[in-house]
Amino acid sequence: AQSVTQLDSQVPVFEEAPVELRCNYSSSVSVYLFWYVQYPNQGLQLLLKYLSGSTLVKGINGFEAEFNKSQTSFHLRKPSVHISDTAEYFCAVSDPYNQGGKLIFGQGTELSVKP
Amino acid sequence: GAVVSQHPSRVICKSGTSVKIECRSLDFQATTMFWYRQFPKQSLMLMATSNEGSKATYEQGVEKDKFLINHASLTLSTLTVTSAHPEDSSFYICSAQGQGAVTGELFFGEGSRLTVL
Repeated sequence: AQSVTQLDSQVPVFEEAPVELRCNYSSSVSVYLFWYVQYPNQGLQLLLKYLSGSTLVKGINGFEAEFNKSQTSFHLRKPSVHISDTAEYFCAVSDPYNQGGKLIFGQGTELSVKP
Repeated sequence: GAVVSQHPSRVICKSGTSVKIECRSLDFQATTMFWYRQFPKQSLMLMATSNEGSKATYEQGVEKDKFLINHASLTLSTLTVTSAHPEDSSFYICSAQGQGAVTGELFFGEGSRLTVL
């Protein structure tokens, strides 16, 4: 069964500093990987996705993530964060061979950007 | 991008009453819709998967008679919390997957916060 682990529940960081949110997944088969962002009292918005091809994926708002198959990781990075990046971030995995299948979420990482 | 609208965004009801939450895909046809429940500071818990015109598939531990899901059209799914109790208070989020979309690439509603008194 697939599972996702986000190693940090909370990440405080100062504005304009770089940040990395860690995500590891567990799966014996190929996967699709996603990062979603949730602002307070809102639904989720897709930041970026890895389906295949280049392991470095660029998303919206200056975020990027790197797929590392050997380490089964998909860490999210941003070189310089803004106050507006304060939100909850979820890593998720799905099975590409199961159309209409479930999206399995990690526990979430709360990114708090301080001035 | 595609838009999913959820209504109401907030609802307060008395214990024992039923509450209906609507989830609409505004500019695409959603072959599959998912309903999640989220507790404070926690991840999303998948409750059920619904496909248009067929019965919803519920996750283990979710009471199908309590959480009624209807997916009557390709743009509308509803979640009805029947005989709500305070422990049903939560943030409910729907998501939709369009025809031919990548598995897991979902569009989410804004969420509905249910408070049962």
